[in-house]
Amino acid sequence: GEDVEQSLFLSVREGDSSVINCTYTDSSSTYLYWYKQEPGAGLQLLTYIFSNMDMKQDQRLTVLLNKKDKHLSLRIADTQTGDSAIYFCAEFYGGATNKLIFGTGTLLAVQP
Amino acid sequence: SQTIHQWPATLVQPVGSPLSLECTVEGTSNPNLYWYRQAAGRGLQLLFYSVGIGQISSEVPQNLSASRPQDRQFILSSKKLLLSDSGFYLCAWSERMTGGKDTQYFGPGTRLTVL
Repeated sequence: GEDVEQSLFLSVREGDSSVINCTYTDSSSTYLYWYKQEPGAGLQLLTYIFSNMDMKQDQRLTVLLNKKDKHLSLRIADTQTGDSAIYFCAEFYGGATNKLIFGTGTLLAVQP
Repeated sequence: SQTIHQWPATLVQPVGSPLSLECTVEGTSNPNLYWYRQAAGRGLQLLFYSVGIGQISSEVPQNLSASRPQDRQFILSSKKLLLSDSGFYLCAWSERMTGGKDTQYFGPGTRLTVL
């Protein structure tokens, strides 16, 4: 089945770390992605991780992948008000039609 | 570098009117192209994707259609809009790759309101 789940909302204070979680269902997924969407804008690719990796770090972003539990997380260190947005995880679904399956998105609200 | 354009940025149309949204990609050739709809600011629904000129696959039956008249042009159309067609329409492209990687890059979107 194709199902990617995320919590709907996360609120943090400026300067704290944010952790956005995602669970996916296709154990054969090879690539998993994180996108950011600011109000009224398209989706911006943040980062992706290959399935043979457990962790990937890129400046303030850390992606953790637990293949056994099919769990993906995005940690944002020193969260800023400019990080307020909706964050989508996505898995590459290599079924009959190769496509990305997106989660429902997590709205991150950063309080000053 | 590659860029993706969508127009118009916003559109207000009456029920029953036709629709044409356009998406073009620059700086690449033979891209995969996608149309998504996002309702109420959340959740992406894949509508159509195309792997080449004239090759369109539909994911969800509806009153919308898509066409790819040129390699880097993707058009979303409707003959008669419904209220339920309101939403934020996003176009995306990706490179043709094998090995389970389909990194998609999104356009700025078109906000469609059907009244």
